[in-house]
Amino acid sequence: DVKVTQSSRYLVKRTGEKVFLECVQDMDHENMFWYRQDPGLGLRLIYFSYDVKMKEKGDIPEGYSVSREKKERFSLILESASTNQTSMYLCASSPTGRGEKLFFGSGTQLSVL
Amino acid sequence: SQQGEEDPQALSIQEGENATMNCSYKTSINNLQWYRQNSGRGLVHLILIRSNEREKHSGRLRVTLDTSKKSSSLLITASRAADTASYFCATDKGAQKLVFGQGTRLTINP
Repeated sequence: DVKVTQSSRYLVKRTGEKVFLECVQDMDHENMFWYRQDPGLGLRLIYFSYDVKMKEKGDIPEGYSVSREKKERFSLILESASTNQTSMYLCASSPTGRGEKLFFGSGTQLSVL
Repeated sequence: SQQGEEDPQALSIQEGENATMNCSYKTSINNLQWYRQNSGRGLVHLILIRSNEREKHSGRLRVTLDTSKKSSSLLITASRAADTASYFCATDKGAQKLVFGQGTRLTINP
């Protein structure tokens, strides 16, 4: 069965900390995505990657960076966490091709205090 | 900005009834997808309908697409308690990324 695994289910961090959210997929997918989900705002795309070492900004990249050193792993980095980054973070992957369906991880609920 | 907008925002029905959710979008699309999200979990893909298709079925799910009205509907027939979840539409405008709406929260009452 296909799987997208996010390293943490819940995470609590302090303002100013550097935070790493990890995502691993076992489907050999080229595309990987990071979304954040907030009540009333739905899912918003932060960053995505078409291939190893490639990244593209989504709709809300400010305050975030990403790393994709290996095909199966896509990391989201909060350089200096702030309280407005408290959110549910969802990782997803898809194979190459237009409009292919996304496979999502279970999400990481991040609280920044 | 969000491409799809679901309507209604919340829907509560009795088990066994049919549930209909709608999605409207603003610009032309290649395809439209529907996803389900159980509380606090990731999204699960339900169905994809391409821009040249008008209707698609999968089990108890029926999706329609009207490109002239820029709208889609998701019908769940004979609802069950396990259908309680949030439902999202997502549009593909030709880029690799999907744009999601805010979702419809569906509650099935026993």
